[in-house]
Amino acid sequence: GAVVSQHPSWVICKSGTSVKIECRSLDFQATTMFWYRQFPKQSLMLMATSNEGSKATYEQGVEKDKFLINHASLTLSTLTVTSAHPEDSSFYICSAGQFFGPGTRLTVL
Amino acid sequence: GDSVTQMEGPVTLSEEAFLTINCTYTATGYPSLFWYVQYPGEGLQLLLKATKADDKGSNKGFEATYRKETTSFHLEKGSVQVSDSAVYFCALSDFGGSNYKLTFGKGTLLTVNP
Repeated sequence: GAVVSQHPSWVICKSGTSVKIECRSLDFQATTMFWYRQFPKQSLMLMATSNEGSKATYEQGVEKDKFLINHASLTLSTLTVTSAHPEDSSFYICSAGQFFGPGTRLTVL
Repeated sequence: GDSVTQMEGPVTLSEEAFLTINCTYTATGYPSLFWYVQYPGEGLQLLLKATKADDKGSNKGFEATYRKETTSFHLEKGSVQVSDSAVYFCALSDFGGSNYKLTFGKGTLLTVNP
């Protein structure tokens, strides 16, 4: 079946630095991808809709200047967490179609 | 707005027991319904789905039927295995076409003991 990959699978960074997470659809094109955030033992919270060739649509309460999304091609969307802080530590998951990536665990020290 | 309500967990069963995880939804249109499974430390895997009323989704011994009259999509399995231990999420997509913007339930942790 269709596969969605994410890179990196985990990352540790210092407070104040920026981290980029990539989401790729490996064998299909996706004009729309979604980014979710999952806290420990909790459900997934939709952060934003990534639209190829146009601006992302952010959910209420999600800071667009902090979570930068770029969907430059039909197979790649990136999420950049800017000026990361410990409260940004979480599991970030992308989806394309009905398929989900394996997730990226971000730890901010 | 759209919402999904799942039964509270955790659920602990012995191997070969019958499993039911309840899921009800609220949606403005005619949503597609999904069950996803998340194994420890991993992302979500699509388990099964149904796109219209009375459809039954099934996979790996799991099944769920789209009940419009009761707005439900309960997950069932006749005989669980230890390897089924995971978190199960019910979800809906209230958009047509290929737009899979999903609303998730809170998830139900299932532990199956040998």
